[in-house]
Amino acid sequence: EDQVTQSPEALRLQEGESSSLNCSYTVSGLRGLFWYRQDPGKGPEFLFTLYSAGEEKEKERLKATLTKKESFLHITAPKPEDSATYLCAVHGFGNEKLTFGTGTRLTIIP
Amino acid sequence: DTAVSQTPKYLVTQMGNDKSIKCEQNLGHDTMYWYKQDSKKFLKIMFSYNNKELIINETVPNRFSPKSPDKAHLNLHINSLELGDSAVYFCASSQKRDQETQYFGPGTRLLVL
Repeated sequence: EDQVTQSPEALRLQEGESSSLNCSYTVSGLRGLFWYRQDPGKGPEFLFTLYSAGEEKEKERLKATLTKKESFLHITAPKPEDSATYLCAVHGFGNEKLTFGTGTRLTIIP
Repeated sequence: DTAVSQTPKYLVTQMGNDKSIKCEQNLGHDTMYWYKQDSKKFLKIMFSYNNKELIINETVPNRFSPKSPDKAHLNLHINSLELGDSAVYFCASSQKRDQETQYFGPGTRLLVL
């Protein structure tokens, strides 16, 4: 069965303080790894899909990277509006569904 | 324009009642999903329909029954509500069955008293 573990559970950063969120996964074969952002009281918002080790994608202050065992979401010079819960999910071959991690709750302090 | 919409946004009800949640997507997607998010923010798939055909049916009490009248709509009916059903329920859609990028609705917050 596919498994996803995200760390840390919560992260508080000063505005401008760069850091990384981790997503470790176990799948029989990776079809795709997804990053979502979820604001309080809202549904998850799609950020990135990564398909193969070595792939990187960027959007504003966010960059997602992928290895064979984990993915990192790097946040560069974050702003308070980047505060949210970031969810990681995997889709394995032979599986119809996405498996989500429990997320990292990120707080950026002005 | 809302891509994936759900009604109601909030639902407060007594144990034992029956309730329904509705979902509509205007993205022209073929596949729709129901997820449950518990208090620890864990998102777990419940059901998925592809062109009105049930393709995912996770281990969910049979008090939960999904219905897809057409590929743009997916409803969730819950019978005999229990305290443990309190959660946020999200609807999502994807373009095709094998198109992994899923787009989520705003959620329905269900509280069973």
